[in-house]
Amino acid sequence: SAVISQKPSRDICQRGTSLTIQCQVDSQVTMMFWYRQQPGQSLTLIATANQGSEATYESGFVIDKFPISRPNLTFSTLTVSNMSPEDSSIYLCSGNKGRATEAFFGQGTRLTVV
Amino acid sequence: SQQGEEDPQALSIQEGENATMNCSYKTSINNLQWYRQNSGRGLVHLILIRSNEREKHSGRLRVTLDTSKKSSSLLITASRAADTASYFCATDAVGIDDMRFGAGTRLTVKP
Repeated sequence: SAVISQKPSRDICQRGTSLTIQCQVDSQVTMMFWYRQQPGQSLTLIATANQGSEATYESGFVIDKFPISRPNLTFSTLTVSNMSPEDSSIYLCSGNKGRATEAFFGQGTRLTVV
Repeated sequence: SQQGEEDPQALSIQEGENATMNCSYKTSINNLQWYRQNSGRGLVHLILIRSNEREKHSGRLRVTLDTSKKSSSLLITASRAADTASYFCATDAVGIDDMRFGAGTRLTVKP
C-alpha cells in the first residue's frame, strides 16, 4: 500500500492567481494521476503525471492551464493557473504501483476561487 | 471522460438492510474497482475484481462482474450507519493506464 499526503487541504484564492497543489507519496508508485471533482459529482481525469517527462492531458485540459510536474517516483505537483471561479472544485491526486492494481488517493484539495 | 454509469444515483436504507449498487461501463476492461468516499474527501479502495473473475468477497462486501453485459454490482450486507458514503466504480480499460470513474451512488444508512 501507499499513503499520499496532499496539500493544501483547502484554499480560497483570488481570480487571476495560481495555486500549486503538492502530493507526496510515502513509497514509490509507478503511475500518478490528477483528478477534478465538482461537489456531488464523479471524478474527471485531468492528466497522467509522467516521471521525468511532460504530463499526458485529457481532452479539455491543457498544460498552460494545469501545468504538472513529476520529478521522481514519489512526488507530483499540479498548478491551477490564472484561476477563475469556474476552477472552484476538489482536486485529487492518486497513484498506483502498476497497471491493474489498486489506486491510492490523497485527501483532496478543496479550492474556492473568488 | 467518465467510463460508465451507476445506479441508483442515491440510495437510502435502514441499518441492517442490504445495499446493492450497480455499475455499467462501455469498453473492454482489465479490471474493475470499487471505491468509497466520505464527504468529498479522498477515496478509499474497497475491492478489485479482474476481468476473468465473476465474483469476489471482502468482509461484508460482495462484488460481481459480468463482462458480457459490461456491468458490475456491489452488495453491502448488514449495513451500518458508518457505511454512509458515496461509492464509485472505476474501470481500467484494455490498453489504457488510467482509471475512469462512474457517476457514483450516494448511500445513506439510517440508524
